[in-house]
Amino acid sequence: GAVVSQHPSRVICKSGTSVKIECRSLDFQATTMFWYRQFPKQSLMLMATSNEGSKATYEQGVEKDKFLINHASLTLSTLTVTSAHPEDSSFYICSARDRGGNQPQHFGDGTRLSIL
Amino acid sequence: QKEVEQDPGPLSVPEGAIVSLNCTYSNSAFQYFMWYRQYSRKGPELLMYTYSSGNKEDGRFTAQVDKSSKYISLFIRDSQPSDSATYLCAMSQGTGNQFYFGTGTSLTVIP
Repeated sequence: GAVVSQHPSRVICKSGTSVKIECRSLDFQATTMFWYRQFPKQSLMLMATSNEGSKATYEQGVEKDKFLINHASLTLSTLTVTSAHPEDSSFYICSARDRGGNQPQHFGDGTRLSIL
Repeated sequence: QKEVEQDPGPLSVPEGAIVSLNCTYSNSAFQYFMWYRQYSRKGPELLMYTYSSGNKEDGRFTAQVDKSSKYISLFIRDSQPSDSATYLCAMSQGTGNQFYFGTGTSLTVIP
């Protein structure tokens, strides 16, 4: 099946650090990738939709200057959490949709971000 | 009212039991219905997806959609300890549209 790779899987860093998370579709091309945030025992919250070659679309309440998204190719999208603070600690998950078919999204394994 | 409602559980069953997981929704425009399985500290894994109403079977898993009642179900037959995970329902108007997720149901299958 479709594989989405997310890296790194775990990040622990000091407050004020910027953290970059990569999301790659390994065996398909994805014109659209999605970034979610998940708190413990809660569902996924869509943060933004990343479109290849254009600006990302952010959900209401999500600061675009805080969460920078770049979708430079059909297989790679990156999320950068700028000047991270403890309240940014969370589980971040990306997903991608195969542009060639009518398939649902496939998810990466997530990145657990802990800001000290 | 949330777009998608799902009982968070937790649900605990003995090995071999039939498990029934359910979601209700309010948006009649939803056409695609998905079930994802999420193990602890992992991303969701697509289990099944269906379009419009009806049933779909894949091995021990059966997905049912009743659009008239705005109700979807996932049945797991002969449940195994390896089925222990959180199950998320998701739905959308189209696979390219925004997905709306349930909160997930935590399932434990006891050996």
